[in-house]
Amino acid sequence: QQQVKQSPQSLIVQKGGISIINCAYENTAFDYFPWYQQFPGKGPALLIAIRPDVSEKKEGRFTISFNKSAKQFSLHIMDSQPGDSATYFCAATGFQKLVFGTGTRLLVSP
Amino acid sequence: DGGITQSPKYLFRKEGQNVTLSCEQNLNHDAMYWYRQDPGQGLRLIYYSQIVNDFQKGDIAEGYSVSREKKESFPLTVTSAQKNPTAFYLCASSITGTPSGELFFGEGSRLTVL
Repeated sequence: QQQVKQSPQSLIVQKGGISIINCAYENTAFDYFPWYQQFPGKGPALLIAIRPDVSEKKEGRFTISFNKSAKQFSLHIMDSQPGDSATYFCAATGFQKLVFGTGTRLLVSP
Repeated sequence: DGGITQSPKYLFRKEGQNVTLSCEQNLNHDAMYWYRQDPGQGLRLIYYSQIVNDFQKGDIAEGYSVSREKKESFPLTVTSAQKNPTAFYLCASSITGTPSGELFFGEGSRLTVL
């Protein structure tokens, strides 16, 4: 019940395309859903986050869509750029700790 | 610059040896965390500390030990009891002990057991 399932494991998108990463959770006690971006050899950094009382949050080219009834949320990267190539982790906060998805390795081809 | 400093960045260890990974933060955060990262498994919580002189086991604490004697420091010892210690280790901190989801991570320490 504390798991967050993330897909796909890897993703290749052409420059200018839309990257979509999906996550699903089971426990309705989760109340905060961040996305982290990690470049090779570096620690993850917070990218964007959403609370379950809103269905969408947009920051620049990055958008989180949240479906509370389906217990799913997704990250959309519009106009994907080679500099977006990184590993992306969804996460959920509950039980006083953060639970991470297994990560998606995104490669944006020039 | 405020942040989290992990050292060493790379570490090699022989089987049977204990090693200690350093984590220092100057963000004045109350809570600190240690995660282990393996390919395809995401980030798994080893230990966390919400206040000085107190810490709790995470999901994979066996074979690891920590201490929190100072607010800014949270070292992790990988003991010889850890069966598969080769991994990328990440230290993180958050403002309070109940994470809002915003963790600040260091750049990691990569441990290789020879």
